[in-house]
Amino acid sequence: DAGVIQSPRHEVTEMGQEVTLRCKPISGHDYLFWYRQTMMRGLELLIYFNNNVPIDDSGMPEDRFSAKMPNASFSTLKIQPSEPRDSAVYFCASNRGDTEAFFGQGTRLTVV
Amino acid sequence: AQSVTQLGSHVSVSEGALVLLRCNYSSSVPPYLFWYVQYPNQGLQLLLKYTSAATLVKGINGFEAEFKKSETSFHLTKPSAHMSDAAEYFCAVSDTGRRALTFGSGTRLQVQP
Repeated sequence: DAGVIQSPRHEVTEMGQEVTLRCKPISGHDYLFWYRQTMMRGLELLIYFNNNVPIDDSGMPEDRFSAKMPNASFSTLKIQPSEPRDSAVYFCASNRGDTEAFFGQGTRLTVV
Repeated sequence: AQSVTQLGSHVSVSEGALVLLRCNYSSSVPPYLFWYVQYPNQGLQLLLKYTSAATLVKGINGFEAEFKKSETSFHLTKPSAHMSDAAEYFCAVSDTGRRALTFGSGTRLQVQP
């Protein structure tokens, strides 16, 4: 398997624009997680899904953030409108049952 | 609620010296514990995991960790550091009820020649 695939790897956008981050989990994995990494806050969970259903979205910072998982092989994290404080590395991870989580390479988002 | 504390945001060792990275956790239920490594501009890679089997867990690249319930600790060790071990290391906790990982703040390991 190719692992968890995230796109794009880098995104630079202007404040106020919509940003969509994409994730393809490992085939057969039933959990999908979105994390954000910043210098100030470290690695924090934004939301996670089980069998395409959102289980916990308490980490989503505010209504500007939304995440979807329309099927088992694809998820998106959308920020609308984006703000400079959203600049971070966003990671997607997946696992199956009690196995460890496998992480993608991340998307480095810069909002100017 | 779960939490993880990693003591020491930066650790520096000489090549060939013992590596010890500290992790203490808090969990109201039996935990699963993990150590991940992150190289610059990369994702996180699993080093090892504890899931209630043997308390001494061996991982990749010569790392191991011991689960000590009485001390609520899961420290990471390696007998002899190599230059390629320089990276950031994260301890994380989850459990059967909450599958998402809660991470510590990370420890950056420097290896001096």
